[in-house]
Amino acid sequence: QSALTQPPSASGSPGQSVTISCTGTSSDVGGYNYVSWYQQHPGKAPKLLIYAVNKRPSGVPDRFSVSKSGNTASLTVSGLQAEDEADYYCCSYAGSNNYVFGTGTKVTVL
Amino acid sequence: EVQLVQSGAEVKKPGATVKISCKVSGYTFTDYYIHWVQQAPGKGLQWLGLVDPEAGESVYAEKFQGRVTITADTSTDTAYMELSSLRSEDTAVYYCAVAGVAVAGLSFDFWGQGTLVTVSS
Repeated sequence: QSALTQPPSASGSPGQSVTISCTGTSSDVGGYNYVSWYQQHPGKAPKLLIYAVNKRPSGVPDRFSVSKSGNTASLTVSGLQAEDEADYYCCSYAGSNNYVFGTGTKVTVL
Repeated sequence: EVQLVQSGAEVKKPGATVKISCKVSGYTFTDYYIHWVQQAPGKGLQWLGLVDPEAGESVYAEKFQGRVTITADTSTDTAYMELSSLRSEDTAVYYCAVAGVAVAGLSFDFWGQGTLVTVSS
């Protein structure tokens, strides 16, 4: 199972938006509505941001949104804030109780 | 409050085996799968596998098949991840995570604090 493809980095100024893509195959991203996104600050455990493609857990601001088309899911962070500077990972269910993570994207707030 | 508390850092020699624990609280252990995730220094997340604590069955990522064993002890609400034939590239932080406790869907909503495993001669 190959890792999902994400851009290594993305950046934006405070208040701007940044979009991160996550490209897989029809066996993972394109085959299931079970893509999740995680935010990870340095030295910390990942935190769930989005689940089941476009749902947010309680406490996650609506500045984080997701879309999906075919084998690609995209996370958009609107109204960038300093605390959004972190690594972001997508993850997809890949069938038969298997999962695959994305390669990760470092978001920098300029 | 859901908590996953992992065992402490380990230093192992190449070829050795490491076993990490993940003690959970705040929910019924047998109701949700426990997953393990590897993160090498400066690298991304890699799914290792999962255990169904109720059935005692495990599923492993193809890359780690034959070297990883994930188990669950329902008497102590603790999951374990054992990795054998260690090599330098296994040096990483290993996380346990539970899926589906707070939110529906196949996502990891609570994580342990991570356990650093260093493989060095």
